[in-house]
Amino acid sequence: DAKTTQPTSMDCAEGRAANLPCNHSTISGNEYVYWYRQIHSQGPQYIIHGLKNNETNEMASLIITEDRKSSTLILPHATLRDTAVYYCIVRVAHSNSGYALNFGKGTSLLVTP
Amino acid sequence: DTAVSQTPKYLVTQMGNDKSIKCEQNLGHDTMYWYKQDSKKFLKIMFSYNNKELIINETVPNRFSPKSPDKAHLNLHINSLELGDSAVYFCASSLRRDLSTDTQYFGPGTRLTVL
Repeated sequence: DAKTTQPTSMDCAEGRAANLPCNHSTISGNEYVYWYRQIHSQGPQYIIHGLKNNETNEMASLIITEDRKSSTLILPHATLRDTAVYYCIVRVAHSNSGYALNFGKGTSLLVTP
Repeated sequence: DTAVSQTPKYLVTQMGNDKSIKCEQNLGHDTMYWYKQDSKKFLKIMFSYNNKELIINETVPNRFSPKSPDKAHLNLHINSLELGDSAVYFCASSLRRDLSTDTQYFGPGTRLTVL
């Protein structure tokens, strides 16, 4: 299973872009990178995922390096409501063809006024 | 019209008791999951069901028994509760188990406290 490494915590000023890095140097060719976040006392929430190309949706952008060994989640205009723990996850396939999410420690993002 | 709902939201009970947590999804998904988040905030998969069939069973004590009466429901029954079972339990669902790009939708969690 490809492991991920993220900084423990980051700060970002409200209105600025939040750039959250993730290293996944052992990722294999058919594994996707997923980002979820968990706002305090809530269930995890899907943000975005990608394989090779950069991806963008209404919540965020995902930039994946050409060698796929790292990626960056970008929240273009962070708000106070974006304060959460952000998890970078590489999909894990279980032996009986089921998939589960392997949550690491994530990055605790604090957006400040 | 909550997508994934869990009941109860909070559960406080004594050691040795048996309790159940219920989960329902109205998304028409085939696959459902139970995750446990401990006091250190690590989220770990416990079980997964696909169309009422158990497909993932992590190293979980057999005091924990999931039950899926239909594909929209996945309940978690815990026998002989122990202090270490105190955690937040999250239910999740996804469209199909065999899609590596499948997105999981999580419920609000059930905070279990064993005294």
